[in-house]
Amino acid sequence: NAGVTQTPKFQVLKTGQSMTLQCAQDMNHNSMYWYRQDPGMGLRLIYYSASEGTTDKGEVPNGYNVSRLNKREFSLRLESAAPSQTSVYFCASSVLTGGNTEAFFGQGTRLTVV
Amino acid sequence: DAKTTQPTSMDCAEGRAANLPCNHSTISGNEYVYWYRQIHSQGPQYIIHGLKNNETNEMASLIITEDRKSSTLILPHATLRDTAVYYCIVRAANTNSGSRLTFGEGTQLTVNP
Repeated sequence: NAGVTQTPKFQVLKTGQSMTLQCAQDMNHNSMYWYRQDPGMGLRLIYYSASEGTTDKGEVPNGYNVSRLNKREFSLRLESAAPSQTSVYFCASSVLTGGNTEAFFGQGTRLTVV
Repeated sequence: DAKTTQPTSMDCAEGRAANLPCNHSTISGNEYVYWYRQIHSQGPQYIIHGLKNNETNEMASLIITEDRKSSTLILPHATLRDTAVYYCIVRAANTNSGSRLTFGEGTQLTVNP
């Protein structure tokens, strides 16, 4: 049981390049999330998908797009990377059962934009 | 979701209990208190949550005051592996938004040998 798997683990981009961060969960969870974490700070929600077929903006959505490909997979796309998007990106999932549930996090993707 | 206030850092001796406080004076009646921790930039890990009663699991105990304006996470016998940033989060049960979590800066707990 792998839980939440993120790829890649590390990535260096040049300003203006695009890339997609992949996330997959094998726990049959309804909800999935993308967070970013800047040095010394807590996590901030970028986008989330409460259930398959829906996506919504979080706290810091600008510069990102998401796709809930199916129940297992939720990808995050940077269309034109900027140095301000240098961060650690975490994907998470949870079961939709009234909201009082625990979220499971992946190990993160460390992205540097130069 | 209600705002939380936690100390920036705490120290604890190995084998002793670690008591991590959290203030959430604006908590609403339908909001739960959650605790997560993050070990050295790994993904956050769920610890425990509660509404108004005290809770205990294999990792920790959660003590919530009667007025629910504050809580304490207790690690009964801290080990070096418990060194981490601990986040106290308050959120309402909401079927439309799942487990959206608002992370503050948390408390850096350092367990010393």
